[in-house]
Amino acid sequence: SQTIHQWPATLVQPVGSPLSLECTVEGTSNPNLYWYRQAAGRGLQLLFYSVGIGQISSEVPQNLSASRPQDRQFILSSKKLLLSDSGFYLCAWAGRGGYGYTFGSGTRLTVV
Amino acid sequence: GENVEQHPSTLSVQEGDSAVIKCTYSDSASNYFPWYKQELGKRPQLIIDIRSNVGEKKDQRIAVTLNKTAKHFSLHITETQPEDSAVYFCASNNNDMRFGAGTRLTVKP
Repeated sequence: SQTIHQWPATLVQPVGSPLSLECTVEGTSNPNLYWYRQAAGRGLQLLFYSVGIGQISSEVPQNLSASRPQDRQFILSSKKLLLSDSGFYLCAWAGRGGYGYTFGSGTRLTVV
Repeated sequence: GENVEQHPSTLSVQEGDSAVIKCTYSDSASNYFPWYKQELGKRPQLIIDIRSNVGEKKDQRIAVTLNKTAKHFSLHITETQPEDSAVYFCASNNNDMRFGAGTRLTVKP
């Protein structure tokens, strides 16, 4: 069966520090991969999605970037965090057509 | 791109009553419409979904209806229980998933 792993679960980082969040999927190949951000009490904002290795689509221009170095690995990065980057970051995967859309357990990022 | 509108933003019902949450979408090519339940501090979990070739789907106390012509779909929860209290998100998919803003459902015992 397919599983999705996301880490770390919580992270407190100072303003201006770099960020790297990792997401990996097991039990499937060539998945669609997604990064979402959820501010406290708010909805899900799509940040990036990827349909294949090295293919990244950005939805919201900002100081975040994403990379997909391997088929089942998706990384969210920042060179310098802002206070406004705080939130709950969720990775998700889906098969072709978007079916079976499943979220990782999330990373709660607090920028101080 | 796809735009998904969800209403209401908050909904409070008495235990045992029904709850209905409605969503509209803009992309007529969207073909998959899941609903997610998110409890406080946890990841969204899929509770039911419907594909564009089906008008209605039911799973115990939960049902979803889809009107492709009008481009809207709804979640119906019957005989609500306190444990149904959560934030519910609708979504629409055409290569990438777009979510509604969420509905905070409170079921009062």
